Amino acid sequence: QKEVEQDPGPLSVPEGAIVSLNCTYSNSAFQYFMWYRQYSRKGPELLMYTYSSGNKEDGRFTAQVDKSSKYISLFIRDSQPSDSATYLCAMSATGGFKTIFGAGTRLFVKA
Amino acid sequence: ETGVTQTPRHLVMGMTNKKSLKCEQHLGHNAMYWYKQSAKKPLELMFVYNFKEQTENNSVPSRFSPECPNSSHLFLHLHTLQPEDSALYLCASSQGAGGPAETQYFGPGTRLLVL
Repeated sequence: QKEVEQDPGPLSVPEGAIVSLNCTYSNSAFQYFMWYRQYSRKGPELLMYTYSSGNKEDGRFTAQVDKSSKYISLFIRDSQPSDSATYLCAMSATGGFKTIFGAGTRLFVKA
Repeated sequence: ETGVTQTPRHLVMGMTNKKSLKCEQHLGHNAMYWYKQSAKKPLELMFVYNFKEQTENNSVPSRFSPECPNSSHLFLHLHTLQPEDSALYLCASSQGAGGPAETQYFGPGTRLLVL
């Protein structure tokens, strides 16, 4: 079983839709949870960072962590064509240098 | 130059060639990383350097040889690679304290094709 599972997609939605991206994980020691966005021909950039369980909101983006279910989500409200990218979930047990990434979900937002 | 830069952006090499990838960070960070990104696979951590000392070697084959001469520069020396080594190689840097706020900043990557 992979430590982090993420549906690769692609996921195609119309502009303005609410997007839900998800990851499941198996290691209960994970405490730090991140979402990265990667545009084509670019490196990943950090979008959201949460510690332990709960919600965190930043503009149109909301990150949710449910440690009891080992499940994390990223919601994008009012999606825009500029949100079209690959979204990678990532997590670590103690912070620090070793971060485990999901394979990424490719998102297309159609105008 | 700002952030994390990588050169070259694209590289084609034969299996008998020797080449090097270069990464430079302009963020004042102390930790640097090499990752391998293959299509539809998770990022694979290869090496981590913190304050120029290697802290992580994720069972990477010896045909990949990292070098970190200072906290701003990181190299990946390549020799006798295999076609399955074709991938996007990403460099990243972070503060280097190893604490909970160890956010990594990535470069644009080098797209490597091994023929």
